[in-house]
Amino acid sequence: AQSVTQLDSHVSVSEGTPVLLRCNYSSSYSPSLFWYVQHPNKGLQLLLKYTSAATLVKGINGFEAEFKKSETSFHLTKPSAHMSDAAEYFCVVSSTGNQFYFGTGTSLTVIP
Amino acid sequence: NAGVTQTPKFRILKIGQSMTLQCTQDMNHNYMYWYRQDPGMGLKLIYYSVGAGITDKGEVPNGYNVSRSTTEDFPLRLELAAPSQTSVYFCASSYSITGALGYGYTFGSGTRLTVV
Repeated sequence: AQSVTQLDSHVSVSEGTPVLLRCNYSSSYSPSLFWYVQHPNKGLQLLLKYTSAATLVKGINGFEAEFKKSETSFHLTKPSAHMSDAAEYFCVVSSTGNQFYFGTGTSLTVIP
Repeated sequence: NAGVTQTPKFRILKIGQSMTLQCTQDMNHNYMYWYRQDPGMGLKLIYYSVGAGITDKGEVPNGYNVSRSTTEDFPLRLELAAPSQTSVYFCASSYSITGALGYGYTFGSGTRLTVV
């Protein structure tokens, strides 16, 4: 069985401060893990992915995520939030490739 | 390169009506998927296809049908629309399972459907 839990449904940060979006996963097999971002009324864009290579993964727009197997976590971070980062973020797990399991999303608000 | 194209972008249906959501991709991807997105629920898989002529059910297939007559197209049909089908629908594609695991999906921009 596979599942993803995004621990915060809403996160608010001030512009220029760090961002932390938390994700825990459950998977019976070695998973691939992804973070997708969805801006209002837009489709989903891949931010970054973990596919059993380096545990610290760098993505677009300054985002990073660290795969921690012992903690079954894949938290998303960014050192300094920008106004354009305000969006919905989805953590996703798959070990079979024929289905992705999405978390319920974290809405990020960036306060000027 | 258009990627994954979905039409229409918005639609309002009356209860009991039917419609087809269109999805086409120009990347020669073998795998195509339909997801629905409901507030606070993430995305749920409706149907997927691993190639022309082959489709399979996902988590929430009831009330929907699909076909895959060509590699490019993967239409989703709603028969007898119900208010519970009010949602945002996303089509996605990947070249293969390995591609999906290694590179993720390519998503369309979505179709917002309201059933009244």
